[in-house]
Amino acid sequence: GENVEQHPSTLSVQEGDSAVIKCTYSDSASNYFPWYKQELGKRPQLIIDIRSNVGEKKDQRIAVTLNKTAKHFSLHITETQPEDSAVYFCAAYNAGNMLTFGGGTRLMVKP
Amino acid sequence: NAGVMQNPRHLVRRRGQEARLRCSPMKGHSHVYWYRQLPEEGLKFMVYLQKENIIDESGMPKERFSAEFPKEGPSILRIQQVVRGDSAAYFCASSPFGKASYEQYFGPGTRLTVT
Repeated sequence: GENVEQHPSTLSVQEGDSAVIKCTYSDSASNYFPWYKQELGKRPQLIIDIRSNVGEKKDQRIAVTLNKTAKHFSLHITETQPEDSAVYFCAAYNAGNMLTFGGGTRLMVKP
Repeated sequence: NAGVMQNPRHLVRRRGQEARLRCSPMKGHSHVYWYRQLPEEGLKFMVYLQKENIIDESGMPKERFSAEFPKEGPSILRIQQVVRGDSAAYFCASSPFGKASYEQYFGPGTRLTVT
């Protein structure tokens, strides 16, 4: 089955700096890669996603890149703000209709 | 359009009791997924259901756990004879079409505590 590795597990940045979270996946058949943000005690919320037919997608301060050959994808957050502090999860969706999640990255943005 | 609903939000059970967790998908969504999240850990897939069908239950323990999504009413995740290790947050998510539409939208979760 699919295996998704996520790094780093914790990330601390100064407000205004950029944050990058990286994920690798194992199943070359995976074709959809969402990113979720989860604040403490709350539900995971979809923040951005990318499908396997594109290499990059951007939404304001958030961007995601995908390298299908290397089987890795990354989340980039620019101009970080304290409200970006949360746990971020990457996931990969394969033909089995399953989302496999990475272990999560706890992002802390220091004011 | 109401989002994914789950109830109860918090559930306390003693060891050996049964826990029933309910999930109502978003309107128009016919695919439901259940995930378990242990404290400080990621989301682990448990089971994927469509109306009246279990599509994939590969992530669900074979004993004590069962799930259903009847023609009418919410999806139910049932845990019999709960043990302390079952304490976790259980999230359900729904999507409209499964293979044709990948996005999954999560409910607020049920936090199960086994005492």
